[in-house]
Amino acid sequence: AQKITQTQPGMFVQEKEAVTLDCTYDTSDPSYGLFWYKQPSSGEMIFLIYQGSYDQQNATEGRYSLNFQKARKSANLVISASQLGDSAMYFCAMRVTAGGGADGLTFGKGTHLIIQP
Amino acid sequence: DSGVTQTPKHLITATGQRVTLRCSPRSGDLSVYWYQQSLDQGLQFLIQYYNGEERAKGNILERFSAQQFPDLHSELNLSSLELGDSALYFCASSVDRDRGSYNEQFFGPGTRLTVL
Repeated sequence: AQKITQTQPGMFVQEKEAVTLDCTYDTSDPSYGLFWYKQPSSGEMIFLIYQGSYDQQNATEGRYSLNFQKARKSANLVISASQLGDSAMYFCAMRVTAGGGADGLTFGKGTHLIIQP
Repeated sequence: DSGVTQTPKHLITATGQRVTLRCSPRSGDLSVYWYQQSLDQGLQFLIQYYNGEERAKGNILERFSAQQFPDLHSELNLSSLELGDSALYFCASSVDRDRGSYNEQFFGPGTRLTVL
């Protein structure tokens, strides 16, 4: 079975600083996808970034980058130049193929990020 | 706006009752996923439908069922409701044209279910 661990329940960061949110994963499947989602206080889930297990380069999307270390089974999210609007819950998630078909996402418990002015 | 719609936004009902949650995926997306978010269990995958057929099951209770219709909208039916079923229920959709693909899932705004 697959598992996602997010060890930081909460983080306070000063505005404009870079933030690293930790995520480690566990799966025996060689093929998987890793995702980060943001959930603001309004409740919606917003897709941020994706990394495939066979991707050679770390994924980047604007201010978001994913620090993928396959040997360590970690997929940390880095937010550069944080903004007040980045305050939210952040979830790391993984998806593996089950019997050749795509399966649902397995989520971590999340990190509550608060950006302070 | 993700393009995924869910109705209703809020639902308040009593124990023992049955409710139906509705989801319309993004235009062109063939896969629909249902998730439950609660304080106790976090975010859990319930079930996936692909082009009208059930493709994968997660931690879905036997009291819960889902279906995807020819127009690709999906419904999640929750019956014999218990207090512990109170949660935010998300629908997500994805292109998923190839088996084993890892396309991102786009989430709807959720339906908040309160069981009294």
